[in-house]
Amino acid sequence: DVKVTQSSRYLVKRTGEKVFLECVQDMDHENMFWYRQDPGLGLRLIYFSYDVKMKEKGDIPEGYSVSREKKERFSLILESASTNQTSMYLCASSLPGPSNTEAFFGQGTRLTVV
Amino acid sequence: GNSVTQMEGPVTLSEEAFLTINCTYTATGYPSLFWYVQYPGEGLQLLLKATKADDKGSNKGFEATYRKETTSFHLEKGSVQVSDSAVYFCALSERNYGQNFVFGPGTRLSVLP
Repeated sequence: DVKVTQSSRYLVKRTGEKVFLECVQDMDHENMFWYRQDPGLGLRLIYFSYDVKMKEKGDIPEGYSVSREKKERFSLILESASTNQTSMYLCASSLPGPSNTEAFFGQGTRLTVV
Repeated sequence: GNSVTQMEGPVTLSEEAFLTINCTYTATGYPSLFWYVQYPGEGLQLLLKATKADDKGSNKGFEATYRKETTSFHLEKGSVQVSDSAVYFCALSERNYGQNFVFGPGTRLSVLP
């Protein structure tokens, strides 16, 4: 089975801190994604990566950056955390097209910025 | 751009009731369609999928049929259980653009004993 593992289930950080969210997948998937999930808004794509060192902005990249130095690891970075970044963050991975391949999700990281 | 619309929740049903969660989509090409389920405190899990028109996806008693003429992919289950209580997300991924998935807002289902 594909496994996508996020490094933390719960995080509490202070405003202005630099925050790293880590995600590792074990199935050699080319594509990796970071979403944030907020009540009433569903999942919104922050960034995705289709190869090592490659990244593309999603719908809401402001305030975030990403790093993909190895194929299995995709990191989300909050350069200076703010309270409006309090959210559930979900990492996912998938094979490249055709589009009938599904995305596999990690268990989520609930981040609270105080 | 592509989008997915789901019926607003929450949906509250009694055990053994019939479930329908409506999903419609807008896409420029020929998307694959998915239903994901999220149990409390967890990430999303694939429930079922369909990759072309008239395909029926099914799993754990849930079914959905890809209707191109109505751009719909409604989720149904004949008899829900308390353990089906979760949030359900409809999603699409467009052919030849598999790097991205578009999700609906989610529908929360509560099943009462």
